[in-house]
Amino acid sequence: GESVGLHLPTLSVQEGDNSIINCAYSNSASDYFIWYKQESGKGPQFIIDIRSNMDKRQGQRVTVLLNKTVKHLSLQIAATQPGDSAVYFCAENWGNGAGSYQLTFGKGTKLSVIP
Amino acid sequence: DSGVTQTPKHLITATGQRVTLRCSPRSGDLSVYWYQQSLDQGLQFLIQYYNGEERAKGNILERFSAQQFPDLHSELNLSSLELGDSALYFCASSVAGSGPETQYFGPGTRLLVL
Repeated sequence: GESVGLHLPTLSVQEGDNSIINCAYSNSASDYFIWYKQESGKGPQFIIDIRSNMDKRQGQRVTVLLNKTVKHLSLQIAATQPGDSAVYFCAENWGNGAGSYQLTFGKGTKLSVIP
Repeated sequence: DSGVTQTPKHLITATGQRVTLRCSPRSGDLSVYWYQQSLDQGLQFLIQYYNGEERAKGNILERFSAQQFPDLHSELNLSSLELGDSALYFCASSVAGSGPETQYFGPGTRLLVL
C-alpha cells in the first residue's frame, strides 16, 4: 500500500465547495466497501459504507458511488468544511474462504480545506 | 469515540526490547483485528481473533504475536524490536468477522523504537 505521509495524493478544496475523492480497488470478489476518515493522531473513523449490490448510497453530506465494472469507488462530500480536513481511505471487505472477512485499505487521499 | 480502547497511547523503547499493546473491543464485538500503519506501508492488516481464537493472519512478522482473552480484550506482543517496527498500531473490532461488516478502530498506540 501507499504511505500516509509524504507521497499521499492531496486534494485541496475551498470551504463550501464539493469534494470528490476517488479510489480504485483490487479484488473483484469484494462485496462490501467502507470509507474511513483519519485525522492526524487518531484512528480511522467510519464515514459510510456500501454493499456490492448497490451503486450509490447517501449519508449526511456524503455520498459513495460504486462502479463495479471498473472497480472504482468515489466519496463525495458536499459543502466541504474545515473539519473535513483529514486523510480519507477506502477499504474493501472480502472473504478469505476460511470464514474470515478482511479489510484491505486503499492508498489514502489527504483532503485539505482552504478557509 | 468508536468504543474501542487501546493502551498505551505512546510507547518509546529500544531495539531488542519487547512490548505489549492492549486493546478492548466495543461492547458486544467478538472479533478483534490488529493493524500496523507506517509511513512507507500504509495500513496493513496483521491478525484477527474471534472469540479467543485466531481467525486470520496478514502480514505479521514471526517476532509478533497476539492473543484474545476470555473477556475479549486482546494483546499484541512485539519482540526483538527493530527500528523499522516504529509505527502506529491500531486495533479494530467488529461484531463477528465472519461476514462483510464494519470494523471500528481504536485511537492507536504510537510505538517509537530507538
